[in-house]
Amino acid sequence: DIVLTQSPDSLAVSLGERATINCKSSQSVLFNSNNKNYLAWYQQKPGQPPKLLIYWASTRESGVPDRFSGSGSGTDFTLTISSLQAEDVAVYYCQHYYNTPLFGGGTKVEIK
Amino acid sequence: QVQLQESGPGLVKPSETLTLTCTVSGGSLSTYYWNWIRQSPGKGLEWIGYIYYTGNTKYNPSLKSRVTISVDTSKNQFSLSLTSVTAADTAKYYCARRQWFGELSAFEIWGRGTMVTVSS
Repeated sequence: DIVLTQSPDSLAVSLGERATINCKSSQSVLFNSNNKNYLAWYQQKPGQPPKLLIYWASTRESGVPDRFSGSGSGTDFTLTISSLQAEDVAVYYCQHYYNTPLFGGGTKVEIK
Repeated sequence: QVQLQESGPGLVKPSETLTLTCTVSGGSLSTYYWNWIRQSPGKGLEWIGYIYYTGNTKYNPSLKSRVTISVDTSKNQFSLSLTSVTAADTAKYYCARRQWFGELSAFEIWGRGTMVTVSS
């Protein structure tokens, strides 16, 4: 089974600064037939369900601010918040949907 | 817009069967994959399984022996049944819809979730 390892577990970033979250997969989630990475990123605020931010590793979901971006391919992926806002405080999860869906352990983002 | 709402008992006794229903409003069940996902402090987010509107199902191998997901298109609902529950099944249970791309796609719409505690 594919295992997703997120790092760091938590990070504190000043308002307006960049936040970077990493997600490493134990196996490639790149589907060679269509050259797509079957990886998504979600944001979860307290008391709310996860919200889809990014899919295909780098495609932003409709309505998601452009300060959120996803990158990477194969086994190594990154979610970047280019300029942290107060409303971005949340836990962020990566998830692969290559076969049996699996989520990473989450990264908690706070304000420094 | 499409909304999902979970319903069911908040407390289930050990060894009994947990049954939850997800009601879909603002759209039909057609052409999408409908999922159950749970979240617990110990195991994080865990995909339980899906049902396609035709009735085809797929389950997480770790839960497959205890899970059944069914659909009632006339009521625009789908349901989860989890047998022989233990304290390890205590979690917040979410229903969610995959994207229009199909089976291998992200979860784009989620219900607000319902907390289920397994305890005598």
